[in-house]
Amino acid sequence: DTGVSQDPRHKITKRGQNVTFRCDPISEHNRLYWYRQTLGQGPEFLTYFQNEAQLEKSRLLSDRFSAERPKGSFSTLEIQRTEQGDSAMYLCASSHGAPEAFFGQGTRLTVV
Amino acid sequence: DQQVKQNSPSLSVQEGRISILNCDYTNSMFDYFLWYKKYPAEGPTFLISISSIKDKNEDGRFTVFLNKSAKHLSLHIVPSQPGDSAVYFCAARRSTGTALIFGKGTTLSVSS
Repeated sequence: DTGVSQDPRHKITKRGQNVTFRCDPISEHNRLYWYRQTLGQGPEFLTYFQNEAQLEKSRLLSDRFSAERPKGSFSTLEIQRTEQGDSAMYLCASSHGAPEAFFGQGTRLTVV
Repeated sequence: DQQVKQNSPSLSVQEGRISILNCDYTNSMFDYFLWYKKYPAEGPTFLISISSIKDKNEDGRFTVFLNKSAKHLSLHIVPSQPGDSAVYFCAARRSTGTALIFGKGTTLSVSS
């Protein structure tokens, strides 16, 4: 399967801890997106990379959040000093110029 | 403010009948509209899209209609099948950006 891959699928962490998620996009896709989804809501845009350059960040992305895409391949999303409000499904998607983006299965974060 | 609105949280349809899912938007700068389907514990799956310069796009059992004057689009599924039971998200892309803006979703239940 050459779809978007996310790791881990589930993460439970204590408040105040740091967490890091990984996303491997579809190999030929140069665009990579991070979204967050909470219960009863649609996915909300967090940030976007074209190759290794982070070109857009949502105001939802507080200072505690950082994303990287070294070498324009996989990406990581780190959340520092997690808060209970960070509990959500974190979705990664990739595309190659077309409007439609292809999503991974997501990482469900629970902050206790 | 919610730029993409799905006002019906749920829809129930019998197998074989038509399912019509609706979506309204407020931003005239959207140039593409998309529909995604999401099963529990999975990421959204792209279904079909339509450019703002068109009023209809069809792919198998799925047809999307766009009424720009009313800022309204709809997804028709004919005939509906039990496997279509999922949450359906309407999404839109601004002509000046790449990120997708999602509605809150409509849960479709198709009974046999």
